[in-house]
Amino acid sequence: AQSVTQLGSHVSVSEGALVLLRCNYSSSVPPYLFWYVQYPNQGLQLLLKYTTGATLVKGINGFEAEFKKSETSFHLTKPSAHMSDAAEYFCAVSPRGGYQKVTFGTGTKLQVIP
Amino acid sequence: GAVVSQHPSRVICKSGTSVKIECRSLDFQATTMFWYRQFPKKSLMLMATSNEGSKATYEQGVEKDKFLINHASLTLSTLTVTSAHPEDSSFYICSARRPGLSGEKLFFGSGTQLSVL
Repeated sequence: AQSVTQLGSHVSVSEGALVLLRCNYSSSVPPYLFWYVQYPNQGLQLLLKYTTGATLVKGINGFEAEFKKSETSFHLTKPSAHMSDAAEYFCAVSPRGGYQKVTFGTGTKLQVIP
Repeated sequence: GAVVSQHPSRVICKSGTSVKIECRSLDFQATTMFWYRQFPKKSLMLMATSNEGSKATYEQGVEKDKFLINHASLTLSTLTVTSAHPEDSSFYICSARRPGLSGEKLFFGSGTQLSVL
């Protein structure tokens, strides 16, 4: 079975500050890992994903995440927060090779303070 | 990128009525679509996997007679909430799996906010 834990349901950062959203996963084999962003009353948009290869993954809007197998983590970072980054972020995991059973974390709401 | 259209975006209905939500893949054929439910301040919960031309596979605890899923074509899956009750009020999101070996595979609709009075 696979699961995802997102530490912190709410994170507040000042505009221009570093964004760090934490995600830890549990899976019997290395899975595929994703970060999605959800704006109010909208669906999910893929920020980035890790499937194989380089463990530092760059996504859209300046976000990146690093897959650390030893720590079973996939934390999302952005060097400088922008007001438009305020949204809910979901970490997700799926079995390797398939997109059938995507399991989502409980989400982290990012607030950006001007 | 690929587009998944979900309609309606918001619906308010009376208790006891049925509501149909459509999920369309606009520029690819999706043999597999997924339906999620999102409770306020909670994560997305997979309700069922919809396969074109066959019966949907429901997750444990999801009432298949309550949430009817039809995937009649390669570009359309529908979720019908039958005899809706206030506890069915939620945000429902579909996603479609794009086949092929390259590129992104999973695309999400923009969601449907269902409010049952």
